[in-house]
Amino acid sequence: DQQVKQNSPSLSVQEGRISILNCDYTNSMFDYFLWYKKYPAEGPTFLISISSIKDKNEDGRFTVFLNKSAKHLSLHIVPSQPGDSAVYFCAARVDFGNEKLTFGTGTRLTIIP
Amino acid sequence: DVKVTQSSRYLVKRTGEKVFLECVQDMDHENMFWYRQDPGLGLRLIYFSYDVKMKEKGDIPEGYSVSREKKERFSLILESASTNQTSMYLCASSLGQGAPGANVLTFGAGSRLTVL
Repeated sequence: DQQVKQNSPSLSVQEGRISILNCDYTNSMFDYFLWYKKYPAEGPTFLISISSIKDKNEDGRFTVFLNKSAKHLSLHIVPSQPGDSAVYFCAARVDFGNEKLTFGTGTRLTIIP
Repeated sequence: DVKVTQSSRYLVKRTGEKVFLECVQDMDHENMFWYRQDPGLGLRLIYFSYDVKMKEKGDIPEGYSVSREKKERFSLILESASTNQTSMYLCASSLGQGAPGANVLTFGAGSRLTVL
């Protein structure tokens, strides 16, 4: 049972444009969400996170939006750069004190120069 | 920076062999995790540990065991490797409950295991 879903396996975006990566979840107990970025032959690295009490968190070119009623979050990257080409995973936590993260299946983002 | 080191980047083993995957972190993190990454399935949690000598099953523990004898070291053991355990294995660590930045996992570079 996939509790965190990334329905787009891949996405191509022109350099300089906005990249929007989407993530849906089914477990209403999730209270904290994270995005990770992964380059080939490297481990995932933390990008940005958001608590369920917020609907937006911004860090430079990266913004994460959370719509709790729709059980949907999205990662916006603007402007997109060639170095953003990677696989992006969203992840979610059930509750504070439980350090387990449930990951989505990933979206491969390709930035076209 | 926190560093999570997985000693073997690439391994090739035969069916039935016992396999050890080692992971060491150098920032005194409380929690350690083993995930596997497979195409189309994302990252799935195998086992995790909140403290030395403590372990808990993740979502797919079958066919695996773990050992955490020291805080900095978390080993994943495949008692009898099978071809369906061919995968990328990722170790991670995190600060611990209540700590600022808790839940931000820091990952190692991964160990790609092929079972023939």
